[in-house]
Amino acid sequence: AQSVAQPEDQVNVAEGNPLTVKCTYSVSGNPYLFWYVQYPNRGLQFLLKYITGDNLVKGSYGFEAEFNKSQTSFHLKKPSALVSDSALYFCAVRFAEGATNKLIFGTGTLLAVQP
Amino acid sequence: EAGVVQSPRYKIIEKKQPVAFWCNPISGHNTLYWYRQNLGQGPELLIRYENEEAVDDSQLPKDRFSAERLKGVDSTLKIQPAELGDSAVYLCASRTGENEQYFGPGTRLTVT
Repeated sequence: AQSVAQPEDQVNVAEGNPLTVKCTYSVSGNPYLFWYVQYPNRGLQFLLKYITGDNLVKGSYGFEAEFNKSQTSFHLKKPSALVSDSALYFCAVRFAEGATNKLIFGTGTLLAVQP
Repeated sequence: EAGVVQSPRYKIIEKKQPVAFWCNPISGHNTLYWYRQNLGQGPELLIRYENEEAVDDSQLPKDRFSAERLKGVDSTLKIQPAELGDSAVYLCASRTGENEQYFGPGTRLTVT
């Protein structure tokens, strides 16, 4: 079955420190992987995606993610966290079979950056 | 470029009442999605449209939920009658080609 796991409900990091938000996936075939961010009372905003090519993907707001096929992971990273990065982060995998073509989301990880 | 527009942003209704949500996707986006996001969860797909055709509605509770996308642009999602468990945020998203999905701000529904 296709699934996405975000093992941490919350990640706390001090401003200026590097951050990592973890994501692992289970999907048949080649995965299409995404990260979205959700600020309070707002919709999801696209950060970055991995389709094919380089394992390190760069996205919006200085975020990047590393695709690791052997570990079936797609962790989100940023070298230096900002207080304004505090939000809810969702990892997603695209599932396409027959008439179905949808994103399967993880449960989300709340990132809290302390000043 | 305007993003995905949804209205209303918030809706409070009593159980057994009907409710409708409206979505205007990004211009030129042929694919439109409706998702439901329960508190503390990621969004879950309800229905996907390709132009005016509902190509995947397998997760739409058809006894009380309905949707339409007349003319392949705007879409409405309706619940009749609403139940307490329908309280959630209803998100609309659109996409063109194989690109990423763009989400609207959502409608937060509270059923009392």
